[in-house]
Amino acid sequence: QLQLQESGPGLVKPSETLSLTCTVSGGSISGSSYYWDWVRQPPGKGLEWIGTIHYSGSTYYNPSLKSRVTISVDTSKDQFLLKLSSVTAADTAVYFCARHIPAAGAMGPFDSWGQGTLLTVSS
Amino acid sequence: EIVLTQSPGTLSLSPGERATLSCRASQILSSSYLAWYQQKPGQAPRLLIYGASSRATGIPDRFRGSGSGTDFNLTISRLEPEDFAVYLCQQYSSLYTFGQGTKLEIK
Repeated sequence: QLQLQESGPGLVKPSETLSLTCTVSGGSISGSSYYWDWVRQPPGKGLEWIGTIHYSGSTYYNPSLKSRVTISVDTSKDQFLLKLSSVTAADTAVYFCARHIPAAGAMGPFDSWGQGTLLTVSS
Repeated sequence: EIVLTQSPGTLSLSPGERATLSCRASQILSSSYLAWYQQKPGQAPRLLIYGASSRATGIPDRFRGSGSGTDFNLTISRLEPEDFAVYLCQQYSSLYTFGQGTKLEIK
């Protein structure tokens, strides 16, 4: 059974770069049909899509975050990574990784999710 | 950006009752590219419905999605205790956006 697990520092200082890793187990990140996603949820608020990557390296980003986001993939470790630069308190959120099978071009519903990891931006 | 507006914000019902949740898009969604998720406190969302009306694997048939264009509904025919949660809609017609959620609470 596919499992996704987020990992990261938990606490980041303002203006620094946030780095999170999602490790995929029970399946290969290189499965040709799959795309891999990052989504976040500020405390008590709704979900915000951050970006998507295919193992080939194709990426799609939320236009509102695009200037600060980089998503990459490490197929040798079945991991994909999120980097978000110049963080502020507004970036404090639970960060989820997820998977989808494309249904609308490269987009599709998210059928598997990690449990999420809380990342706090504070000095 | 496609904006999704969910209503009501909170729905108070009793087990056994029928729930109808609404999601309205600011633009027509191509081919009904709309999904519904259930989220419980401290958990990740769970996919319920995709393509506006197709149930995801393992989802009970009391969950039904309907609608097209800009107006979509999620109906839960007979509420079970485990159905009380937050429900979110998501469009994947043009990148992704989520609705703000409907909280389904026990009356």
